[in-house]
Amino acid sequence: GENVEQHPSTLSVQEGDSAVIKCTYSDSASNYFPWYKQELGKGPQLIIDIRSNVGEKKDQRIAVTLNKTAKHFSLHITETQPEDSAVYFCAAPNGTSYDKVIFGPGTSLSVIP
Amino acid sequence: GAVVSQHPSRVICKSGTSVKIECRSLDFQATTMFWYRQFPKQSLMLMATSNEGSKATYEQGVEKDKFLINHASLTLSTLTVTSAHPEDSSFYICSARVTGRYGYTFGSGTRLTVV
Repeated sequence: GENVEQHPSTLSVQEGDSAVIKCTYSDSASNYFPWYKQELGKGPQLIIDIRSNVGEKKDQRIAVTLNKTAKHFSLHITETQPEDSAVYFCAAPNGTSYDKVIFGPGTSLSVIP
Repeated sequence: GAVVSQHPSRVICKSGTSVKIECRSLDFQATTMFWYRQFPKQSLMLMATSNEGSKATYEQGVEKDKFLINHASLTLSTLTVTSAHPEDSSFYICSARVTGRYGYTFGSGTRLTVV
């Protein structure tokens, strides 16, 4: 089955700086990679996703890049703001079935004002 | 669109009692819902997949007699923690995927504390 690793586990950045979180996956058949943001005491919220037919996707200050050859994908947040502070999870489907995803262990991001 | 409503948000129960958690898809039909458990500072662990009109599929190591899942309609799935013990205290979250779309919509989670 799929195995998803995520680094770093914690990340602190100054407000305005960029933050990068990287995930690796094991199943080369996986073709959909979402990122979720979870604030304390709340459920995860999808913030961006990418399919394997593209290498990069951007939505305002956040972007995701995918390297299928190396089996890794990264979340990039530019011009970070204090409200970006949260736990971020990457995920990958278990094979080609979108009905089951495996989550990475999470990255706790702190943006220091 | 694609909102999943989860209730209650917090519940405290006595050891040995049962607790029911509800998840409703408000603006779409969810043939499949997923139930996760999350311990503090840990990732989401899939407990079971709930299919409308049929038995749930449990992940390895999850006791199906303890975590009863019912998905009686296309908009409602429930998780009942039976004979709860303090070690069942956790954050329980449901999710669903809109057919034809990628990505999952999560409920807001239920903080269960068993005393």
